[in-house]
Amino acid sequence: QVHLQESGPGLVKPSETLSLSCTVSGDSIGIYSWNWIRQSPGKGLEWIGCVYYIGTTNYNPSLKSRVTISADTSKSLVSLKLTSVTAADTAVYYCARAAAGRTDFDYWGRGILVTVSS
Amino acid sequence: DIQMTQSPSTLSASVGDRVTITCRASQSINSWLAWYQHKPGKAPNLLIYKASTLESGVPSRFSGSGSVTEFSLTISSLQPDDFATYYCQQYNSYPLTFGGGTKVEIK
Repeated sequence: QVHLQESGPGLVKPSETLSLSCTVSGDSIGIYSWNWIRQSPGKGLEWIGCVYYIGTTNYNPSLKSRVTISADTSKSLVSLKLTSVTAADTAVYYCARAAAGRTDFDYWGRGILVTVSS
Repeated sequence: DIQMTQSPSTLSASVGDRVTITCRASQSINSWLAWYQHKPGKAPNLLIYKASTLESGVPSRFSGSGSVTEFSLTISSLQPDDFATYYCQQYNSYPLTFGGGTKVEIK
């Protein structure tokens, strides 16, 4: 069974960088794309971006200037960095896998709440 | 960006009811639509992909239909485990976008 677990600081100060990790177990990172999605309080789901197993990335234009997503296949780890955060970046952040050849998400983590506050 | 509009935003129903949730895309997405179930504190769960294909392991009471811009998710007989929030998602083009969600509550 594939399992995704997000981890990282639950509190980040404004203007700093949000850094999260997603540990993948039960399968290798290969042949899939790995995505980050967030949900701000009281709002809907927002796709942040993804990294493909070959290393290429695709980002939401609304966040592209601040986002970096990467994957370490040797550690089965997917990472998210979001720079210059503000209170608007407070959200539950989810890691999700897109099945091979698809861009719907067949496995998700439970999410991690990140609050941006001084 | 393609806007996804779900209705209703909240739905009150009883166990055994047949319920239908609709999702409308702001432009054609062919059949590139998925449906998810989400319960608080848990990982979202893929129910349907490519508009009408049931994900492995998902009960057959869930079904999806539609194409182009109009889609629906139907639960044929609502079960206690089905009270949750449901989201649609388009993957016709980037950026991938979601509907605002439909919360299915106990009547």
